[in-house]
Amino acid sequence: GAVVSQHPSWVICKSGTSVKIECRSLDFQATTMFWYRQFPKQSLMLMATSNEGSKATYEQGVEKDKFLINHASLTLSTLTVTSAHPEDSSFYICSAGRDRYETEAFFGQGTRLTVV
Amino acid sequence: AQKVTQAQTEISVVEKEDVTLDCVYETRDTTYYLFWYKQPPSGELVFLIRRNSFDEQNEISGRYSWNFQKSTSSFNFTITASQVVDSAVYFCALYLSNQGGKLIFGQGTELSVKP
Repeated sequence: GAVVSQHPSWVICKSGTSVKIECRSLDFQATTMFWYRQFPKQSLMLMATSNEGSKATYEQGVEKDKFLINHASLTLSTLTVTSAHPEDSSFYICSAGRDRYETEAFFGQGTRLTVV
Repeated sequence: AQKVTQAQTEISVVEKEDVTLDCVYETRDTTYYLFWYKQPPSGELVFLIRRNSFDEQNEISGRYSWNFQKSTSSFNFTITASQVVDSAVYFCALYLSNQGGKLIFGQGTELSVKP
């Protein structure tokens, strides 16, 4: 149980376009989802916390107008990178928790975004 | 402040050598969890172990073992008789209770096992 699916696995887009990444909890309801970003040879940095039915909470330094997060249902959160630029090229990975008392971290497979 | 430090950026060993990956954490919380993940080149995170702050027993799983010491705030990971397939980036992470699943990751250690 506790499977998280992330789609797409990789995407290449042109500079200036927007890209949507989906994170789905397949066999549980995820009250909270987290979005992380990982640049090459670096660690995973939390970008934002997505709570179902409310606005996402962004970490300091993350532009909320550029990285739009929508958690419209208990099984789906989306991250949209708007007006993508080459510096947004990165590995994006989501994780989901069942509730605030969650003691596990269930990760998606990650999405490798390349902006050309 | 909560923080995880993996001081070893890269480690290179020859197959069959033992190798220890260090992890030091900082938190004022009394209830927390510590994780180790393996990240192969494909990028996905492979869960290795979770340990809660009240359980200081060391754990062994095959060639993997973990040493948790609260006195030194360390949670070190040892691979015995390393193999080429162990080559990957390994992350130590801190999880605080009542945060719904949010992890604080260390910088990662890239392990290269040469034949």
